Amino acid sequence: DTGVSQDPRHKITKRGQNVTFRCDPISEHNRLYWYRQTLGQGPEFLTYFQNEAQLEKSRLLSDRFSAERPKGSFSTLEIQRTEQGDSAMYLCASSSHPRGTFEAFFGQGTRLTVV
Amino acid sequence: AQSVTQLDSHVSVSEGTPVLLRCNYSSSYSPSLFWYVQHPNKGLQLLLKYTSAATLVKGINGFEAEFKKSETSFHLTKPSAHMSDAAEYFCVVTAGYSTLTFGKGTMLLVSP
Repeated sequence: DTGVSQDPRHKITKRGQNVTFRCDPISEHNRLYWYRQTLGQGPEFLTYFQNEAQLEKSRLLSDRFSAERPKGSFSTLEIQRTEQGDSAMYLCASSSHPRGTFEAFFGQGTRLTVV
Repeated sequence: AQSVTQLDSHVSVSEGTPVLLRCNYSSSYSPSLFWYVQHPNKGLQLLLKYTSAATLVKGINGFEAEFKKSETSFHLTKPSAHMSDAAEYFCVVTAGYSTLTFGKGTMLLVSP
């Protein structure tokens, strides 16, 4: 399978714990995006990388959220001190960017439940 | 700034009848527009995209959409609905090759 891969698919955690999600993009894609989707809503942009550079992070929901893409390949999204309001589907997508080829491919997501 | 408004949260059709899912957009730049579909427990799948070429765009599974700049619309249509089309559909805008902005989604229900 050469699509976008996310791990784990499901995560249940207790309030206050830290969680980390992983995303493996399509191998030749230089852009990687993180989105959050809550029930009944469209995906909400969080952050994105071009290669290893994080080009936009102002939309991360709070300073408890952080993302890395250390070698320009896979990425991790960490949520510290989780709250019940963090329960959602976290989606990763990747795309190839030069201009004119903007088409994002999404993974199946990681569903987080905070209890 | 960019935004998308999907005008219907739910659309119900009978199998074999036409489908119309409405989308209006706002963008400070010349936009690229997309429709994605999300089936239950499946990832988002790209249906079609508009990137400043032909204004009538054909996608997968018989869907098409028309970009109308004067109306700032990008409505999704299909001549004849199939049961397998039942899913949630998202209209998406991007401008300046930055991030994707999603609408809230339209749930398409198809009855036999």
